[in-house]
Amino acid sequence: QVQLVQSGAEVKKPGSSVKVSCKASGGTFSSYVISWVRQAPGQGPEWMGEIIPMFGTANYAQKFQGRVTITADESASTAYMELSSLRSEDTAVYYCARDQGVGAFGHYAFDMWGQGTMVTVSS
Amino acid sequence: DIQMTQSPSSLSASIGDRVTIACRASQGISSHLNWYQQKPGKTPKLLIYAASSLQNGVPSRFTGSSSGTDFTLTISSLQSEDFATYYCQQSYTTPRTFGQGTKVEFK
Repeated sequence: QVQLVQSGAEVKKPGSSVKVSCKASGGTFSSYVISWVRQAPGQGPEWMGEIIPMFGTANYAQKFQGRVTITADESASTAYMELSSLRSEDTAVYYCARDQGVGAFGHYAFDMWGQGTMVTVSS
Repeated sequence: DIQMTQSPSSLSASIGDRVTIACRASQGISSHLNWYQQKPGKTPKLLIYAASSLQNGVPSRFTGSSSGTDFTLTISSLQSEDFATYYCQQSYTTPRTFGQGTKVEFK
């Protein structure tokens, strides 16, 4: 049974950085597409970017370009998301999710999610 | 970016009601549309993928349909465990984008 397990809650000061981890157990982590999705209180989910560990290159949403870095360590079956220059609007639950091929070729969906990591940005 | 617009933002319904949630894409996405259910404090759960395919283990009272850039999630007979917020999401391209959600509340 594949699972994604994230690191614990963080409280950060404005202007600082946060790094959240997402460890996969089971399955072939290297071939997954791991996305990071955040959800501010009372808001819908927002996609931040993705990585395929075996290739190592990340793809970011333009909104977060320059502030977010997504990496992966294949040997540890772990993906990371680092967000810098934090501001209060970054307070949210951050999820990793597997963007998996489903059904017919070319269709993808987030079929597995980490439990979420609450990041609070407050002075 | 492709904008996903859901309606309504909330609705009140009773057990046994038929519930319909709409989602419109700002441009063509073929059938690359997924639906998720989220309960308070929980992670989103995939219900429907590729516009109309039921994810394993999801009850058959959930159905998805599409017409052009308009998509619909229908719950044929609302059960107590279905009170939640529902999101549509396009998987046609990146950035992946979600609708703003529809909260299904008890009438």
